[in-house]
Amino acid sequence: QKEVEQNSGPLSVPEGAIASLNCTYSDRVSQSFFWYRQYSGKSPELIMSIYSNGDKEDGRFTAQLNKASQYVSLLIRDSQPSDSATYLCAVKSGAGSYQLTFGKGTKLSVIP
Amino acid sequence: GAGVSQTPSNKVTEKGKYVELRCDPISGHTALYWYRQSLGQGPEFLIYFQGTGAADDSGLPNDRFFAVRPEGSVSTLKIQRTERGDSAVYLCASSLTAGSNSGANVLTFGAGSRLTVL
Repeated sequence: QKEVEQNSGPLSVPEGAIASLNCTYSDRVSQSFFWYRQYSGKSPELIMSIYSNGDKEDGRFTAQLNKASQYVSLLIRDSQPSDSATYLCAVKSGAGSYQLTFGKGTKLSVIP
Repeated sequence: GAGVSQTPSNKVTEKGKYVELRCDPISGHTALYWYRQSLGQGPEFLIYFQGTGAADDSGLPNDRFFAVRPEGSVSTLKIQRTERGDSAVYLCASSLTAGSNSGANVLTFGAGSRLTVL
């Protein structure tokens, strides 16, 4: 059974601070990792994908992947109230895989 | 179309009734997926289509659930004899391709169809 674990939160951070969201996964052969943002009542929206160990930066967002520790994280710098949402970690297994396994999501609240 | 379109956005039905949910993927996307999201949970995989064929239906919970994609574009998820436990948001997603580590493999989700079974 492939599992993706996230702290459900809520995680509260003040505006302008760094928000750190964490995710662990059980399937060692996982190769593709995604962070989706989901506003209440809306569909998931992709914000970051990462495939190799290390950091990947895109604007205020940085995804970090450590395959040895089976751990992936998302950092949001200079957090804004508009970042308040649920962040879903999703994992896909080997290169031929197409099925995403999602965590339950972490609810982030950015306090003005 | 510009995005993944799903209809209806909301469906309320009575226990035991039959329901159809429709998905129109992004034009040119060969891969289409159905996921189900219950309250407070992440999306759960139901079925994946590559072209017209269901390449993997292992996520369908039981034989009351069935999905088709007859012309390789629009897909319909069909639920027979609905039960209260079927209440959830049914999400459709599409991608240009599937199975590789590339941007073409990234899923774009529709707004979902919220199903409520009374």
